[in-house]
Amino acid sequence: GDSVTQMEGPVTLSEEAFLTINCTYTATGYPSLFWYVQYPGEGLQLLLKATKADDKGSNKGFEATYRKETTSFHLEKGSVQVSDSAVYFCALSNNNAGNMLTFGGGTRLMVKP
Amino acid sequence: DTEVTQTPKHLVMGMTNKKSLKCEQHMGHRAMYWYKQKAKKPPELMFVYSYEKLSINESVPSRFSPECPNSSLLNLHLHALQPEDSALYLCASSQGRGSYNEQFFGPGTRLTVL
Repeated sequence: GDSVTQMEGPVTLSEEAFLTINCTYTATGYPSLFWYVQYPGEGLQLLLKATKADDKGSNKGFEATYRKETTSFHLEKGSVQVSDSAVYFCALSNNNAGNMLTFGGGTRLMVKP
Repeated sequence: DTEVTQTPKHLVMGMTNKKSLKCEQHMGHRAMYWYKQKAKKPPELMFVYSYEKLSINESVPSRFSPECPNSSLLNLHLHALQPEDSALYLCASSQGRGSYNEQFFGPGTRLTVL
């Protein structure tokens, strides 16, 4: 079946540091890929998405590129802020699997002032 | 309106109680979902409604009973729960079931079963 693997956290960075959270996937066909963010005590918010190979999703300074050759969708941000502290989930949705979301395990990001 | 709302925000119940969780969206979405999320874990899918019909039940115990009264509302009826059912219950909706349709999540109901 489909699966998503994320780097384990927590990831601790200083403010204005560069962020990379790795995400790789296993899926048949052509899944859509998503990054969701969950702030403490809240539900999940869609951060960005990409629906086909080489698409780049971007939002609020975050970016991720759909790389089919490496089955990856790494999340990057050039300069993190304390307010970016949250849990980040990589996920995929696949026509071959009923279009349900398959989540990675989540990566906690802590940004220190 | 691009929001999914959930009530209540917090719920504490005993193992013999009956309670209900409510979810509402006014985005015209035709698919709605219930998820269960334990601490430090990703959400786990429980139920999917598509065009107000239950299309997926992920082998959830019968003490959880979903209901979709209309295209904007989704309920989750709870009865005779166990302490291990304590979790954050998330509702989500999407425009349809296509893989490119992102799901919009509500803020969740934090459930504690005593």
